[in-house]
Amino acid sequence: DTGVSQDPRHKITKRGQNVTFRCDPISEHNRLYWYRQTLGQGPEFLTYFQNEAQLEKSRLLSDRFSAERPKGSFSTLEIQRTEQGDSAMYLCASSFGGTTGPEQYFGPGTRLTVT
Amino acid sequence: GENVEQHPSTLSVQEGDSAVIKCTYSDSASNYFPWYKQELGKGPQLIIDIRSNVGEKKDQRIAVTLNKTAKHFSLHITETQPEDSAVYFCANPFLGGYQKVTFGIGTKLQVIP
Repeated sequence: DTGVSQDPRHKITKRGQNVTFRCDPISEHNRLYWYRQTLGQGPEFLTYFQNEAQLEKSRLLSDRFSAERPKGSFSTLEIQRTEQGDSAMYLCASSFGGTTGPEQYFGPGTRLTVT
Repeated sequence: GENVEQHPSTLSVQEGDSAVIKCTYSDSASNYFPWYKQELGKGPQLIIDIRSNVGEKKDQRIAVTLNKTAKHFSLHITETQPEDSAVYFCANPFLGGYQKVTFGIGTKLQVIP
């Protein structure tokens, strides 16, 4: 399977715990995005990487959230001191970039439930 | 990226009928118009897109039309089938550089067998 993969698919955690999600983009894609989606809403942009550089962060990304893409390949999204409001689907997408392809391809998402 | 207005928010059709979902945008410089399908519990899937140099693109039962004068683009699904039931999102047109995708509100399509 050469699509975007995310791990884990589901995560249940208690309020106050830290969680980390992983995204593996399509191998030749140099751009990687994180989105958050709550029930009944469209996905909302969180942050964007071009190679290993994090170039934009949404105001939705509070200080408790941190994302990395250390070698320009896979990325991690960490949420510290989780709150019930963090419960959502966290989606990763990747794209080739350049002038030929703004098309973004999404992974299956990680569903986070904070109890 | 700019926002898009999408309607309707829900749509029910009988199996075999056609479904049309419309999105409007504001920036005339927009040059790329994507549509995504999201099934329950899955990530959005890019199903069709169009660039501003053409007015229509078809892929089997799915088509997208673009009216640059009126600044709207539409998704057309013909001969609908139950597996077409999902939420469909248009996304903000690409303006150059990287694309921070801003999704429309989504249209929940129900195909009634």
